[in-house]
Amino acid sequence: EILMTQSPATLSVSPGERATLSCRANETVGSTVVWYQQKPGQAPRLLIYGATNRAAGVPTRFGGSGSGTEFTLTISSLQSEDFAVYYCQQYSKWPRTFGPGTKVDIK
Amino acid sequence: EVQLVESGGGLAQPGRSLTLSCAASGFRFDDYAMHWVRQVPGKGLEWVAGINWNSGSIGYADSVKGRFTISRDNAKNSLYLQMNSLRVEDTASYYCAKEGLVVVPGHYFYYFDVWGKGTTVTVSS
Repeated sequence: EILMTQSPATLSVSPGERATLSCRANETVGSTVVWYQQKPGQAPRLLIYGATNRAAGVPTRFGGSGSGTEFTLTISSLQSEDFAVYYCQQYSKWPRTFGPGTKVDIK
Repeated sequence: EVQLVESGGGLAQPGRSLTLSCAASGFRFDDYAMHWVRQVPGKGLEWVAGINWNSGSIGYADSVKGRFTISRDNAKNSLYLQMNSLRVEDTASYYCAKEGLVVVPGHYFYYFDVWGKGTTVTVSS
């Protein structure tokens, strides 16, 4: 199965600052990466699909980049509602593996 | 309103069985693939199983292969997860998720765009 890793495990950021989250696959997955946001007690929310495409209703401060094995989620200016856990997922092959997540918390 | 509602969670002893259900509404259920994703409290997401629109393509995580069976009834707008030979490590919240698809020339983009609130499964003696 394709192994997805994410770094850092925790990212401490001040409101208004930029956050850069990394996701890596252990084999090439093209652009078949999705990013989700999850807040405590809630189901995950779709943010980015196809590595770079924002889902409907997602603010423009969220951006995705990368292809192959290296992917990045960037939040340009963190708002209070953005403090959450972020997961990447690949759909290049079954099983559809998730990364372990990056927790973005308040610095 | 597009909605997924899971049910069937609860307490089960190791080795026993449990069946989860997911009721879908607000969209054409038989147009979409569906998935189960689980999450141990305080831990990350784990994809469990997926099924395409007509049950012709099914996949499982290695951790549940041979023990869990995903199925769907399009006439009832429902998704199921039959869980046999339960283990303590199957304890988690189980989410039902709808797979969305965007097609542009040369590219198929898949994602989980609608999630239920989850149902909790506890496996303990």
